[in-house]
Amino acid sequence: RKEVEQDPGPFNVPEGATVAFNCTYSNSASQSFFWYRQDCRKEPKLLMSVYSSGNEDGRFTAQLNRASQYISLLIRDSKLSDSATYLCVVNKFSGGYNKLIFGAGTRLAVHP
Amino acid sequence: DAGITQSPRHKVTETGTPVTLRCHQTENHRYMYWYRQDPGHGLRLIHYSYGVKDTDKGEVSDGYSVSRSKTEDFLLTLESATSSQTSVYFCAIGPGLATDTQYFGPGTRLTVL
Repeated sequence: RKEVEQDPGPFNVPEGATVAFNCTYSNSASQSFFWYRQDCRKEPKLLMSVYSSGNEDGRFTAQLNRASQYISLLIRDSKLSDSATYLCVVNKFSGGYNKLIFGAGTRLAVHP
Repeated sequence: DAGITQSPRHKVTETGTPVTLRCHQTENHRYMYWYRQDPGHGLRLIHYSYGVKDTDKGEVSDGYSVSRSKTEDFLLTLESATSSQTSVYFCAIGPGLATDTQYFGPGTRLTVL
């Protein structure tokens, strides 16, 4: 079983739609959670951190459910520019150092 | 954007040859990481460094070695390249153990024939 699992998609949605991505993680000791965005043939970039109380950044809302080991990302009013792959990322403390574990990503395609 | 560069950006090489990829940062961050990215696997950690001359293995370290002689440079060497090492390689930096965010370089696309 992968440590971080995501639905690979693609999610094909029209502009203006609301879309939600889910992610599950296996390490119950994880403390830090993130969503990264990766455009085609580019490097991953931090989209937002995910806090226990949930957090919002403009059209983006992230939620964390520790009991179910589940993270979500909601995008409202989708734009063409939101088309990208979204990576769910969880930390893992191992060997005395903190490492990040990346999901394989969920691809989003927003069409006119 | 974080000051991270990678070189070369693209490379084609033959099986059995050694290859060295370079990551250079201008942020003076302590932590540096090498990942590979393959379809269906996401980013997988190859090696990381927590200071000059301090390195450790990640989950997919076989066939790779690293060196860090200066804070700003982290080198990844494929000792004898194989076709299974065809991948996109990303370097990342992080400011410290307590801060988990990592910033990525633009990547190196490596093809081993």
